[in-house]
Amino acid sequence: DIQMTQSPSSLSASVGDRVTITCQASQDISNYLNWYQQKPGKAPKVLIYDASNLEAGVPSRFSGSGSGTHFTFTISSLQPEDIATYYCQHYDNLRFTFGPGTKVDIK
Amino acid sequence: EVQLVESGGGLVQPGGSLRVSCAASGFTFSTHAMSWVRQAPGKGLEWVSSITGDGDITYHADSVKGRFAISRDNSKNTLHLQMNSLRADDTALYYCAKGAYYFEPWGQGTLVTVSS
Repeated sequence: DIQMTQSPSSLSASVGDRVTITCQASQDISNYLNWYQQKPGKAPKVLIYDASNLEAGVPSRFSGSGSGTHFTFTISSLQPEDIATYYCQHYDNLRFTFGPGTKVDIK
Repeated sequence: EVQLVESGGGLVQPGGSLRVSCAASGFTFSTHAMSWVRQAPGKGLEWVSSITGDGDITYHADSVKGRFAISRDNSKNTLHLQMNSLRADDTALYYCAKGAYYFEPWGQGTLVTVSS
């Protein structure tokens, strides 16, 4: 089975900072990688699909890159409303694996 | 507007059974794969089960294989998860979600608590 890891597990940053989260797959997953945001008490929401595609309606400060085993999620300028936990997720023929999550808060 | 509304959660004893459901609206239900994802209190997201649009093919995580069964009723735009032999570590908020490659949208979740 493919394992997904994320780093860091948590981070604190100031408003306006650039924030980067990495996701690593235990084997090559091409670009079958999505990123979700989950705000406290809410259901998750997809931000990036297929590693680098921005979901409709999602602010352009969010971006994703990578392929194979190493992926990066970036918030170009952190905003107070971005306080959330972010998850990467691999998909393969209706089987899915989530990363453990990265909790982001404001310093 | 696409909407998913889960129901059927509650308190059940270890070894017991429960069926949770998800009512879908705002899209052509039968043409979309659907899934269940759970989140234990204070923990991360765990994929549970998925089903194709026609209901012919299902997949389950190893942690629930043989105990849980996903199904759908396309005539009623409803997704189900039958959960048997429930254990304490099945306690979680159970979300239904639409999509074959990524999940969007998600429902609000239904809480399943397994405890004596």
